[in-house]
Amino acid sequence: AQKITQTQPGMFVQEKEAVTLDCTYDTSDPSYGLFWYKQPSSGEMIFLIYQGSYDQQNATEGRYSLNFQKARKSANLVISASQLGDSAMYFCAMREGYGGATNKLIFGTGTLLAVQP
Amino acid sequence: NAGVTQTPKFQVLKTGQSMTLQCAQDMNHEYMSWYRQDPGMGLRLIHYSVGAGITDQGEVPNGYNVSRSTTEDFPLRLLSAAPSQTSVYFCASSYSNSGTGPNYGYTFGSGTRLTVV
Repeated sequence: AQKITQTQPGMFVQEKEAVTLDCTYDTSDPSYGLFWYKQPSSGEMIFLIYQGSYDQQNATEGRYSLNFQKARKSANLVISASQLGDSAMYFCAMREGYGGATNKLIFGTGTLLAVQP
Repeated sequence: NAGVTQTPKFQVLKTGQSMTLQCAQDMNHEYMSWYRQDPGMGLRLIHYSVGAGITDQGEVPNGYNVSRSTTEDFPLRLLSAAPSQTSVYFCASSYSNSGTGPNYGYTFGSGTRLTVV
């Protein structure tokens, strides 16, 4: 069964510094997708970045990058140049399957990031 | 605006009462799902549907019923509310997993905060 593990319940980072949020996953399916979502205090789920299991390069979206290490089954989110607005809960999630699958998205328990001025 | 609409945004129930959380999407997404979010536990999948007339259980289905009579709507029913069902509920939808990439990502509703007393 698929599983997502986020071992950092909370983290602090100084404004303008980079921060890495850890995510490991477990699946027996060779085809899967990994997502990172941001949930600010207002509660909405904001999509940040996606990595497919067959993607050759690590995904990047602006200040967000995904450090994808397939052999280690890790998909860490790196936020560069942290801003006060980055303070939020961050969730790693995984979807198994490639065509014809159920499209289930399974979440980790999240990491609460606090950016300090 | 296109998206996922959840109603109500807030609800207080007495133990034993029943209610239905509504979820509607106007993007012609085949896949719809319900999650509950509890502190320290991330988002856990309750039920999901891959199309009209097709539903299946997620990780935490007990105490909840669903049906999918149309592509647009996926209501979640609590037949006899319990304090353990106090949570924030999210509905999410996506195209079916016939491909990969963030284009097959998920759109989340704004959530329903439910308190059972």
